[in-house]
Amino acid sequence: GAVVSQHPSRVICKSGTSVKIECRSLDFQATTMFWYRQFPKQSLMLMATSNEGSKATYEQGVEKDKFLINHASLTLSTLTVTSAHPEDSSFYICSASKPGKNTEAFFGQGTRLTVV
Amino acid sequence: DAKTTQPPSMDCAEGRAANLPCNHSTISGNEYVYWYRQIHSQGPQYIIHGLKNNETNEMASLIITEDRKSSTLILPHATLRDTAVYYCIVRVAFAYTNAGKSTFGDGTTLTVKP
Repeated sequence: GAVVSQHPSRVICKSGTSVKIECRSLDFQATTMFWYRQFPKQSLMLMATSNEGSKATYEQGVEKDKFLINHASLTLSTLTVTSAHPEDSSFYICSASKPGKNTEAFFGQGTRLTVV
Repeated sequence: DAKTTQPPSMDCAEGRAANLPCNHSTISGNEYVYWYRQIHSQGPQYIIHGLKNNETNEMASLIITEDRKSSTLILPHATLRDTAVYYCIVRVAFAYTNAGKSTFGDGTTLTVKP
């Protein structure tokens, strides 16, 4: 089946630095990918929609200059957390789906970001 | 997307059937019911989806009431590895490009006990 892969699965960074998370669709092309954030004991919250070849669309309350999204190819979207702070520590998850109507979403394994 | 209501937690004995309910009383005619689960510290995993007919696959069965206002996910023989948070999501039949966009509620934490 379709697989969406994220890298890295876990990252620790210092406050003030930037971190890049990659999301790849391994056996299909994804013109659209989605980025979610999940804080401990909470549900997934949609952050943004990543569109291949165009600007990302951000959900209300998500700072576009802080969470930079690049979708330069049909199989890769990247999320860069800029000037990370401890409150950005979270579980970041991407998703995409294969061509077809009413298809299911495939999610990456997630990236655990810890900002110290 | 229609709002869903799920019990926050449920227990199930290993080997028994796990029946997870979901209420979606405001569901529209063109909205599907999807179920995903999230095992601790992993990304969500698709389980099953349906419109109005009952559905079954190798993982589970989905029973949707005739009025479509509620549904039940059935894991026929729960194992310890089925311990996870189960999310019921209702959404319109997107073109595939938007299928990855979902509104997640709080889900049901299913604990399968030996």
